Amino acid sequence: EVYLVESGGGLVQPGRSLRLSCAASGFTFNTYEMNWVRQTPGEGLEWISYISGSGSTIYYADSVKGRFTISRDNAKNSVYLQMNSLSADDTAVYYCARLRAIPTRPFDYWGQGTLVTVSS
Amino acid sequence: DIQMTQSPSSLSAYVGDRVTITCRAGQTISNSLNWYQQKPGKAPKLLIYAASSLQSGVPSRFSGSGSGTEFTLTISSLQPEDFATYYCQRSNSPSMYTFGQGTKLEIK
Repeated sequence: EVYLVESGGGLVQPGRSLRLSCAASGFTFNTYEMNWVRQTPGEGLEWISYISGSGSTIYYADSVKGRFTISRDNAKNSVYLQMNSLSADDTAVYYCARLRAIPTRPFDYWGQGTLVTVSS
Repeated sequence: DIQMTQSPSSLSAYVGDRVTITCRAGQTISNSLNWYQQKPGKAPKLLIYAASSLQSGVPSRFSGSGSGTEFTLTISSLQPEDFATYYCQRSNSPSMYTFGQGTKLEIK
């Protein structure tokens, strides 16, 4: 069974940093591309970052480029999201999601999400 | 960035109804279109990938169609557990996976 478990969310002041983790199990982690997606309270879904299986290819949405850094540790079956210079607009539930390795690249498994609240 | 536009934004229907949700892409995306279902407080769940392929374990009352810029998600006979929010997502580019704004399906 595939499991993705996010952690690291919480209350943080504007301008500060936070690091999210996503622990994976039930599949060969280093062969799968991973993503972070966020959802602001009561709103829709926003893709924010992608990382290839080796970690050599990375993409970001414009809304987080230059502030967020995605990484992975295949020895620990984990993907991370380092978030710097946080603002109220970054308040959201953050999900990690596995990308299925077929041409149309859907996100086939998602974690339960971790809530990040940016407030003074 | 290719925008994804869903319609309607919300929809009320009865159990047993046939329901169709539409998703339009700002540019052609071939069949790189996925549909997700999300219930309150839960993570999204993949329903349909490659525009029309049913994800394993998803009931056959769900179906998808379309190609290019216009896509549809159809639920043939609504069940009580189908009341949720539905999102389309384009996946034709590895550097961008834009979601539609969502369609909230409510019980009438």
